[in-house]
Amino acid sequence: EAQVTQNPRYLITVTGKKLTVTCSQNMNHEYMSWYRQDPGLGLRQIYYSMNVEVTDKGDVPEGYKVSRKEKRNFPLILESPSPNQTSLYFCASSSAWTPFYGYTFGSGTRLTVV
Amino acid sequence: AQKITQTQPGMFVQEKEAVTLDCTYDTSDPSYGLFWYKQPSSGEMIFLIYQGSYDQQNATEGRYSLNFQKARKSANLVISASQLGDSAMYFCAMREGGTGRRALTFGSGTRLQVQP
Repeated sequence: EAQVTQNPRYLITVTGKKLTVTCSQNMNHEYMSWYRQDPGLGLRQIYYSMNVEVTDKGDVPEGYKVSRKEKRNFPLILESPSPNQTSLYFCASSSAWTPFYGYTFGSGTRLTVV
Repeated sequence: AQKITQTQPGMFVQEKEAVTLDCTYDTSDPSYGLFWYKQPSSGEMIFLIYQGSYDQQNATEGRYSLNFQKARKSANLVISASQLGDSAMYFCAMREGGTGRRALTFGSGTRLQVQP
């Protein structure tokens, strides 16, 4: 089944404890992206990648890191999480970076930072 | 300026009736794609329907159709024969061409509640 797999689905952590949210897709997509969803603010792009070793900032990159060492994987790293990073996170991928392809989303990761 | 505007924070519809969810967009790029996603209470984002800027006909996918009015820059979602399982948040989104990062830009969403 074609899908984007995120792990974990739920995570509660403490301020300052480094964490990684994994994302993997099995569709051979070039384009991958991370979004966060917050009430009243909608979905905002954190980082994106157009291919292996090519990553760039989205709208809200502060406090996050990403890497794209393999085409299928695009982990999101929070080196020192803070409570304002409590959010619902989505990884997404697309077969092309033209505007005529939508995203396939992962199931989401609910992160709580206390 | 908002790129995607959804003016209906919440909508109610009776089961088996049709409902239209509004979406207007703003872009100067001639190449763009418009998308609708459904987000049930479980949280996942489910792709519903797509319309490209050069498409001549309105898109349809089962009970979903997209009323694309390019001159008005609107891309309304029509759900026919509503079902209880259609109760969810619905997001309109746009992806532009050009040389930018081609992010998917979302509207604020419409919460649809289907009543029996």
